[in-house]
Amino acid sequence: NAGVTQTPKFRVLKTGQSMTLLCAQDMNHEYMYWYRQDPGMGLRLIHYSVGEGTTAKGEVPDGYNVSRLKKQNFLLGLESAAPSQTSVYFCASIPRATGYNEQFFGPGTRLTVL
Amino acid sequence: GQQLNQSPQSMFIQEGEDVSMNCTSSSIFNTWLWYKQDPGEGPVLLIALYKAGELTSNGRLTAQFGITRKDSFLNISASIPSDVGIYFCAGQRNSGGSNYKLTFGKGTLLTVNP
Repeated sequence: NAGVTQTPKFRVLKTGQSMTLLCAQDMNHEYMYWYRQDPGMGLRLIHYSVGEGTTAKGEVPDGYNVSRLKKQNFLLGLESAAPSQTSVYFCASIPRATGYNEQFFGPGTRLTVL
Repeated sequence: GQQLNQSPQSMFIQEGEDVSMNCTSSSIFNTWLWYKQDPGEGPVLLIALYKAGELTSNGRLTAQFGITRKDSFLNISASIPSDVGIYFCAGQRNSGGSNYKLTFGKGTLLTVNP
């Protein structure tokens, strides 16, 4: 049981390049989340998914797209990377939103956009 | 969006000292969670609180859910060097479309001097 895994761990992009971050969980969790973490800003929700085939916007969705084609995977895409998207990205998941929403986090992806 | 005010922003203490940090909000939350993040890692859940007034301990950690549902605090007793890290509070409201999302504080950076 690997929990929540993220790929890649590090990435450097040039402005305008695109990339996809992969989050995978093997706990059969229903809900998955993408956050970004910036110094002094805490964790801010980008997009989330309450089930396979569904996604919704979070607090800071602009410049990102997501897909949840399979229950175990949640993809975060940057179509045209900008320096403002330099951040550490975390994925999280929970079994089901019953009020006991103890989110399990992945190890993070550190992204630098030059 | 909702805001959680977490304080202090940082603490520098001597090993063996007790630590206290808190989060306040202008909105009511029905769940309070406390996470710890080690350098280069994702946040890990420390304590979850589900009832107003609830006081819960996890080893040297104690957290309370405020009676007004607008605040929570975390205490660490007899700090040790491995307590170093960033501590985050997170709150969840059980209403409408926000049922699945957490709002995070900006974190308290704890440094413990051996």
